[in-house]
Amino acid sequence: RKEVEQDPGPFNVPEGATVAFNCTYSNSASQSFFWYRQDCRKEPKLLMSVYSSGNEDGRFTAQLNRASQYISLLIRDSKLSDSATYLCVVNLGKTSYDKVIFGPGTSLSVIP
Amino acid sequence: DTEVTQTPKHLVMGMTNKKSLKCEQHMGHRAMYWYKQKAKKPPELMFVYSYEKLSINESVPSRFSPECPNSSLLNLHLHALQPEDSALYLCASSQTSGLGGRGYGYTFGSGTRLTVV
Repeated sequence: RKEVEQDPGPFNVPEGATVAFNCTYSNSASQSFFWYRQDCRKEPKLLMSVYSSGNEDGRFTAQLNRASQYISLLIRDSKLSDSATYLCVVNLGKTSYDKVIFGPGTSLSVIP
Repeated sequence: DTEVTQTPKHLVMGMTNKKSLKCEQHMGHRAMYWYKQKAKKPPELMFVYSYEKLSINESVPSRFSPECPNSSLLNLHLHALQPEDSALYLCASSQTSGLGGRGYGYTFGSGTRLTVV
C-alpha cells in the first residue's frame, strides 16, 4: 500500500459546482497534514493546513479523521481559477526536519 | 521575506557540462530540501539538510552533489547528467520544531526547469 493515496481523477466539473477530494495515509504516526495546490509548470503552493477539528478558509473546507487515517478537501462554488492539481501532504514530524510524504495528486478542471 | 528564491529559472546543459542550481531563503528556516519533479508526477525527495547538515540522501546518483554553505543557502551541483535527469528541480524550506514536534509544511521555490541535451 502506498503511504499516501488520493482519488485518481481527473475531476472535470462545471463552474459553481462543489467538488470533494479524498486522501488516505498509511502511517498512524503522522503528525500534521496539508493540502497543496500546483498549477501547470509551477511550484506547489500551500493551500491549507488540516486540523483535527476541521477548518475552513473561504470556499475551502478541510477535514481530518485520524481514526480512519483519512483527509478530505471540499471546494464549494468552483471557479475557473481553481483548475490545478491538488496534492495531499502528510508530515511525520518526528525529526528535526519535516519528513513529508506527497500523495500522487488529483487533477481538477473547472469548465465554463 | 516569505520566499524561497531559486536561480536560474531555466537551464539547458550538455551531458559533459558542470552547472549549479542555487536556492536562498531568509525566513530563518533550518531545514532545506531538494526535490525533483517529472511531468504529471508529485515531487520526489532528493536531499534534506537540517541545521546545515545533510540528513537524508534518497539514494541520489553522485552526479548530483548538494551543498549547504550556510543556513540561508542551498546549492545543487550537477555534473555529467543524463537526458533522463531533465525535470523541474524544486527547493523547499521549512520551520522546524525539533524532535517530536509538529511539522509546519514547506515553502517551495519556483523551481529550475532543467533540460539535459
